Amino acid sequence: AQRVTQPEKLLSVFKGAPVELKCNYSYSGSPELFWYVQYSRQRLQLLLRHISRESIKGFTADLNKGETSFHLKKPFAQEEDSAMYYCALRGVGANNLFFGTGTRLTVIP
Amino acid sequence: DAGVTQSPTHLIKTRGQQVTLRCSPKSGHDTVSWYQQALGQGPQFIFQYYEEEERQRGNFPDRFSGHQFPNYSSELNVNALLLGDSALYLCASSLWGLSGANVLTFGAGSRLTVL
Repeated sequence: AQRVTQPEKLLSVFKGAPVELKCNYSYSGSPELFWYVQYSRQRLQLLLRHISRESIKGFTADLNKGETSFHLKKPFAQEEDSAMYYCALRGVGANNLFFGTGTRLTVIP
Repeated sequence: DAGVTQSPTHLIKTRGQQVTLRCSPKSGHDTVSWYQQALGQGPQFIFQYYEEEERQRGNFPDRFSGHQFPNYSSELNVNALLLGDSALYLCASSLWGLSGANVLTFGAGSRLTVL
């Protein structure tokens, strides 16, 4: 069965400090992994996906198949990064997403 | 482009009633998915519609049904409401296919409270 685990419900860091939001997954195959973000009073939106290997708003995420992880990282957190972050998985042959329970990031000024 | 629009934004029902939620996809999208997000949880996949047919379904009972219209808009119907159906219902649109570029665009959601 597929599962996405985000072990931290809440995470607080100071502005300028590095931030890492953890995501581990369970899936017997090669899934696609995504990070979605929801800023206050805004809609859920895509932040980045592993196949693009891109950096969005300074965030990066590397898929580690050995550790089945897809942690989201940013070297210097900004106040505007405060939001709810969801890790999501799309299985092979599927067209839907399986979400984790989310991590609320607060960046302290 | 207004993106994905959902209605109503909020509604209150009582146990046993039925509810219909509506969704208009982003312009150019042909696929609509519905998700249920309970308080403190991530969105859970209910089902997906393409070409007016249910294509995939999550682990939800038959009380949850849907429809897609020729203009790609969609409805989610829930019968015999239970207290546990209280949640934010999210609609997401996309293009059909498994392309890596195929990403979901979410609406703001319809918040359903069952008393």
